[in-house]
Amino acid sequence: DAKTTQPTSMDCAEGRAANLPCNHSTISGNEYVYWYRQIHSQGPQYIIHGLKNNETNEMASLIITEDRKSSTLILPHATLRDTAVYYCIVRVSNSGYALNFGKGTSLLVTP
Amino acid sequence: NAGVTQTPKFQVLKTGQSMTLQCAQDMNHEYMSWYRQDPGMGLRLIHYSVGAGITDQGEVPNGYNVSRSTTEDFPLRLLSAAPSQTSVYFCASSLGSHTIYNEQFFGPGTRLTVL
Repeated sequence: DAKTTQPTSMDCAEGRAANLPCNHSTISGNEYVYWYRQIHSQGPQYIIHGLKNNETNEMASLIITEDRKSSTLILPHATLRDTAVYYCIVRVSNSGYALNFGKGTSLLVTP
Repeated sequence: NAGVTQTPKFQVLKTGQSMTLQCAQDMNHEYMSWYRQDPGMGLRLIHYSVGAGITDQGEVPNGYNVSRSTTEDFPLRLLSAAPSQTSVYFCASSLGSHTIYNEQFFGPGTRLTVL
């Protein structure tokens, strides 16, 4: 699996967009970018995934650069409940029995 | 659907004791996994299963056993608990090989302390 690099922590004001970056410069052509988050003491929760095109769902948007070496998770209107650790994971598709979680980015949304 | 359930929520053991952490899912998922999470760390894979009767080791399997006799259940056994096994344990499941990707669903966790 390709290695990912994320900032340790970020802050965001409530109501503003939270943009969480992830570098994955060694990603290969058949690897997807997945994002999960973990709210304090809970099990991780799937957010979104993508291969090369930008993706959007009810929770977030995922922007992947054209060379696929980095991506950004966007929470368009952050709320206090979005305070969590966000994990960027690169993984070959169809192999979802195991995910390599790093330390992720701790996002603090402030009033 | 209850999703992924784990019991117990909390457990305190003495060194050398054995116990089983229970995990069940009602989504007919093929894949199930056990992770542990130590303070300030990400999750590390202990064991996983790609179907009933099939299990394999993950990154940190020592001191743990698993079996998968049914699709629904995937218990994790601690054979002789050690303080280094103090952690939060998460069970996860996902659909399996017939999907392009596998979103994992996680249980609420079991917080284990070994004295």
